[in-house]
Amino acid sequence: QVQLVESGGGLVKPGGSLRLSCAASGFTFSDFYMSWIRQAPGKGLEWVSYISSSDNRRYYADSVKGRFTISRDNAKNSLYLQMNSLRAEDTAVYYCAKDYRELQFDHWGQGTLVTVSS
Amino acid sequence: QSALTQPASVSGSPGQSITISCTGTRSDVGGYNYVSWYQQHPGKAPKFMIYDVSNRPSGVSNRFSGSKSGNTASLTISGLQTEDEADYYCSSYTTSYTLVFGTGTKVTVL
Repeated sequence: QVQLVESGGGLVKPGGSLRLSCAASGFTFSDFYMSWIRQAPGKGLEWVSYISSSDNRRYYADSVKGRFTISRDNAKNSLYLQMNSLRAEDTAVYYCAKDYRELQFDHWGQGTLVTVSS
Repeated sequence: QSALTQPASVSGSPGQSITISCTGTRSDVGGYNYVSWYQQHPGKAPKFMIYDVSNRPSGVSNRFSGSKSGNTASLTISGLQTEDEADYYCSSYTTSYTLVFGTGTKVTVL
């Protein structure tokens, strides 16, 4: 069965950096687009970024453009999110999600909490 | 990209039907048939309920149905059950090769 397991969350100071990882299993990872989606405490879902299956296309929400970088390693069945210049408003649970098609997500990880605070 | 507009809350009694609206623009909901709906219980990851406006993934109850008219998509839950009490989010592909989610709707079963 499909499994997505995020890791790398934690407490970081404003202006700091963090790298999230998502380990995928149960499907042919290299065949699918992948996304990061976040949810601030008590708030709604916000799409963050997606990456094409072959890593040649990456798109970002305006709120993270220039600060976050999505990447993947198909050999390791892993998805990453490098987050720099973190702000308090980046505090959220970050989910990785497998694309069913056209940014519709049929499987989600359990999420990893990122807290940006001094 | 502004979030799609959903009602903050919708409620119904067991067995009733409820409908949640999701209003966007011609650049998202009105321009594409890539509208999805997700169900999220407290503390859990979202669950894929509807894709391509009106299609149900395998394993999702046929009590859930989706539709679209112009810039507004809708999710209808028929035969409301206590386990349907959750938050529901719509999403849509956009002209900017990005995705926008709805503001979310809390469904309460009375």
